[in-house]
Amino acid sequence: GIQVEQSPPDLILQEGANSTLRCNFSDSVNNLQWFHQNPWGQLINLFYIPSGTKQNGRLSATTVATERYSLLYISSSQTTDSGVYFCAVPPYSGGYQKVTFGTGTKLQVIP
Amino acid sequence: DSGVTQTPKHLITATGQRVTLRCSPRSGDLSVYWYQQSLDQGLQFLIQYYNGEERAKGNILERFSAQQFPDLHSELNLSSLELGDSALYFCASSVATGLAHNEQFFGPGTRLTVL
Repeated sequence: GIQVEQSPPDLILQEGANSTLRCNFSDSVNNLQWFHQNPWGQLINLFYIPSGTKQNGRLSATTVATERYSLLYISSSQTTDSGVYFCAVPPYSGGYQKVTFGTGTKLQVIP
Repeated sequence: DSGVTQTPKHLITATGQRVTLRCSPRSGDLSVYWYQQSLDQGLQFLIQYYNGEERAKGNILERFSAQQFPDLHSELNLSSLELGDSALYFCASSVATGLAHNEQFFGPGTRLTVL
């Protein structure tokens, strides 16, 4: 099946700093999502981004499907950004979704 | 709030027992997905239902089963529970017309503890 790798696995930031999280995938995809799992375990949708670039406030994401990676940018980080960030992809087999999640990037933003 | 609801929020039970987790999808969504998140396995896709029919299967054990009812809510049944089944179980839903272009929205999860 498709392999999804995220880097870095852990990240500690000072409040106000910027960061880039990366998601590499081993096969072609036609759908990619970024999620934030907060310290209470809730999975929050950040981006649905099969290709191109999207921005939402301090967060933005870029997916380059032809090169099999996606990037999540966090600017001016806040303590509420702490948690684990996951990317998730289904394989490009059309039909139905059998989503594979990456291993996640655990982010800690310190004041 | 994603619009996906799951009950119960927490469940504590003993080995060998059987439990049922319930999920109600967002209004208008026809697909329901179940995931298991454990410390050692990460987030694993278990199974997908679309409009009452099973559509995709992941790493779901034979002791686990699911179904989607005519009102589109879904239940995940876990039987002969083992300590290793302790995990956070998520349900997600999407419009899912059958193509792979569908954003999934997750419920708050059910935390299962098997003692």
